[in-house]
Amino acid sequence: TQLLEQSPQFLSIQEGENLTVYCNSSSVFSSLQWYRQEPGEGPVLLVTVVTGGEVKKLKRLTFQFGDARKDSSLHITAAQPGDTGLYLCAPGRDDKIIFGKGTRLHILP
Amino acid sequence: GAVVSQHPSRVICKSGTSVKIECRSLDFQATTMFWYRQFPKQSLMLMATSNEGSKATYEQGVEKDKFLINHASLTLSTLTVTSAHPEDSSFYICSARKGGSADTQYFGPGTRLTVL
Repeated sequence: TQLLEQSPQFLSIQEGENLTVYCNSSSVFSSLQWYRQEPGEGPVLLVTVVTGGEVKKLKRLTFQFGDARKDSSLHITAAQPGDTGLYLCAPGRDDKIIFGKGTRLHILP
Repeated sequence: GAVVSQHPSRVICKSGTSVKIECRSLDFQATTMFWYRQFPKQSLMLMATSNEGSKATYEQGVEKDKFLINHASLTLSTLTVTSAHPEDSSFYICSARKGGSADTQYFGPGTRLTVL
């Protein structure tokens, strides 16, 4: 099992600000996935990054996979209250998804 | 996208009773289903992996006699919490995958269990 560290654990910022959250490990991943979970719901897959150095954009969310495929970041531009939730990363293409502890993001209106 | 449902969405039961939670893949056949538990303000913790027609594989520290999993068909897996106690109160989430590890896992909406 590849262990993932996510930081920060909690983040509360004002609407309109930018933020970056991180997912790190000492292991190399064949791919990595980011999920968002809203309160009282199941996680929803946002993106899968596969290639070292890859950057994927999903509207105001930018995901980057580290060159060595050991880490990833999620950058949100002009955060909105709708971005509030628990952001989880997990190795992709594993037999089972083991999540990191997540970053709990709260956007203040 | 693929849809996974759970029933019930929330359940309250008395201590000592057993509770069954269903997980269904609505528009695809799932060879593998997974059960997670999530305590307040925490991440999802994998409890077990179930493959259709075979015994579930439990993660370390999860009591298989306490959490009975049945994956009787390619569209249905059930989790039964036996002799529930207040510490079993949690948010239980299932996910389903069509094929091998390269396939996407789709998550259900979760079941909130409260044991009084």
